[in-house]
Amino acid sequence: AQTVTQSQPEMSVQEAETVTLSCTYDTSESDYYLFWYKQPPSRQMILVIRQEAYKQQNATENRFSVNFQKAAKSFSLKISDSQLGDAAMYFCAYRSGGSEKLVFGKGTKLTVNP
Amino acid sequence: KAGVTQTPRYLIKTRGQQVTLSCSPISGHRSVSWYQQTPGQGLQFLFEYFSETQRNKGNFPGRFSGRQFSNSRSEMNVSTLELGDSALYLCASSLVLAGGGDTQYFGPGTRLTVL
Repeated sequence: AQTVTQSQPEMSVQEAETVTLSCTYDTSESDYYLFWYKQPPSRQMILVIRQEAYKQQNATENRFSVNFQKAAKSFSLKISDSQLGDAAMYFCAYRSGGSEKLVFGKGTKLTVNP
Repeated sequence: KAGVTQTPRYLIKTRGQQVTLSCSPISGHRSVSWYQQTPGQGLQFLFEYFSETQRNKGNFPGRFSGRQFSNSRSEMNVSTLELGDSALYLCASSLVLAGGGDTQYFGPGTRLTVL
């Protein structure tokens, strides 16, 4: 079974600085997708960024980018120019190519200090 | 486009009762998945429905069941509630692209408290 590990239960960053959240996963599959979701205190889960395993290029969405290391099974999220609104729980998730099921990590709570 | 909606947003039940939660997917989305979120276990997959058929099921007891209607709306039911069923129940919908790779979009969740 696939597993997702987020080794940092909590992280903090100063406003306008950069922070990197770590995620590793375990799979024997070659066709899969990786996601970062954000869950603010309001509880609505929001997609931050996604990465297809077959793509070598790292995904980028505005201030959010990933470092996808397929061989190392690592999928870290970098948030640049952190804003107060970035404060939330961040979940890394894995999905097999032939399934809708998401496997989540335990999450990282990000605090942004003014 | 309206997002995924879930009703009710909050529920309080007592042990032994049953509960039904509802989820309306984004228009055009045909797959609906359900997740349970608790502080101890995190986010766990319950089941996924597509075209009124359950395609995948997580490791939950038979007290947890669901269904999907022809308009893709879905309901999940929990019978004989236990204290441990207290959780945030999240619904997510996706398009189901022919080549795969679609993204799941989540609703706001239903907070269930079992007393």
